[in-house]
Amino acid sequence: GDSVTQMEGPVTLSEEAFLTINCTYTATGYPSLFWYVQYPGEGLQLLLKATKADDKGSNKGFEATYRKETTSFHLEKGSVQVSDSAVYFCAPANYGGSQGNLIFGKGTKLSVKP
Amino acid sequence: EAGVAQSPRYKIIEKRQSVAFWCNPISGHATLYWYQQILGQGPKLLIQFQNNGVVDDSQLPKDRFSAERLKGVDSTLKIQPAKLEDSAVYLCASSSTGADEQYFGPGTRLTVT
Repeated sequence: GDSVTQMEGPVTLSEEAFLTINCTYTATGYPSLFWYVQYPGEGLQLLLKATKADDKGSNKGFEATYRKETTSFHLEKGSVQVSDSAVYFCAPANYGGSQGNLIFGKGTKLSVKP
Repeated sequence: EAGVAQSPRYKIIEKRQSVAFWCNPISGHATLYWYQQILGQGPKLLIQFQNNGVVDDSQLPKDRFSAERLKGVDSTLKIQPAKLEDSAVYLCASSSTGADEQYFGPGTRLTVT
């Protein structure tokens, strides 16, 4: 079945450092790809998405590019802030095969130190 | 636009007791999901409704979990009887059509002692 593997955490960075969180997936067909973020004490929020190959999703300085050839959707940010401290989840959704269900990775906890 | 509402936010029960969670999706959203998120893991889908019909309940432990969405709007998830391993955050999400992004509620944190 469909699955996703993302970088193990926790990741600890200093403010203004470059961030990469790796995500690879296995899925039938061409899933839509999502990154969700969970801030401490809050629910999941959609961070960005991409719906087809080579699409780049972006939001709040974060970016991720849909790479069909490597089945990857790595999350990047050029300069992290303390307020970016959260848990990040990569999630493909195959609308063709599984009714649009999101398949979540285990999450990567990011801590940004001032 | 109001978001997905869930209640209660926290619940503590003893094993073998029953518990129910309520979710009200974003107005007009046809698809409603219930997820279970165990500490340190990603959410796992329990059940998906399209209007008042079940689309996918393949991962719902049907011997103890049940869910309904009788009028195609709000939904209730019940656990009876609860086990220690049911301690988790129960998330409700909704989407407009089921083929687009999902919006999540704040979750209900269940502790079973």
